[in-house]
Amino acid sequence: NAGVMQNPRHLVRRRGQEARLRCSPMKGHSHVYWYRQLPEEGLKFMVYLQKENIIDESGMPKERFSAEFPKEGPSILRIQQVVRGDSAAYFCASSPPRTGGAGTEAFFGQGTRLTVV
Amino acid sequence: QKEVEQDPGPLSVPEGAIVSLNCTYSNSAFQYFMWYRQYSRKGPELLMYTYSSGNKEDGRFTAQVDKSSKYISLFIRDSQPSDSATYLCAMSVGAGNNRKLIWGLGTSLAVNP
Repeated sequence: NAGVMQNPRHLVRRRGQEARLRCSPMKGHSHVYWYRQLPEEGLKFMVYLQKENIIDESGMPKERFSAEFPKEGPSILRIQQVVRGDSAAYFCASSPPRTGGAGTEAFFGQGTRLTVV
Repeated sequence: QKEVEQDPGPLSVPEGAIVSLNCTYSNSAFQYFMWYRQYSRKGPELLMYTYSSGNKEDGRFTAQVDKSSKYISLFIRDSQPSDSATYLCAMSVGAGNNRKLIWGLGTSLAVNP
């Protein structure tokens, strides 16, 4: 049973380009969360999705950032027109349906390290 | 004031020592209290979670919650070099789809052989 899979592990983008980060949740998990981590700031919640629905995007910047979790395929975090300040580790976590919300049984992927040059 | 406060360390101990990691919080509405371990360049992994005040033990790890003092602890007995990692506390508030996790900054632990 594979864990939460994120790809790519490392992504380098020039300022102004688009970054697309993918997350495949664990089998049977229908809840996906995206977090951003900076060394001085810890883990910051961005968005919580269920299949085809955004449940809570209160942590997501209003501009340039979007997320989706389609019926088929991985969840995608998309950052348009990246800036240097977007450089961070982005983690995806998933949890099974019965926990809901920011479930106590959230399992994390290995993260995508985005570097904007 | 942050909702969850955690001393970032670093904390350095000799192998075999008892380690005490702590978080304080200000929101009395927090319900679940969790400890995650994060190795360098890896994602956080859930170690333990508790709901009520008291102790919960799992092998060498003991999680303690004191809701009256708004204080949680993670104790590691007989610490090993493989315990060297960053330990993050997290607390949940709200219910169902409105439940959120609030995170501490993490404490960096080094266990020296």
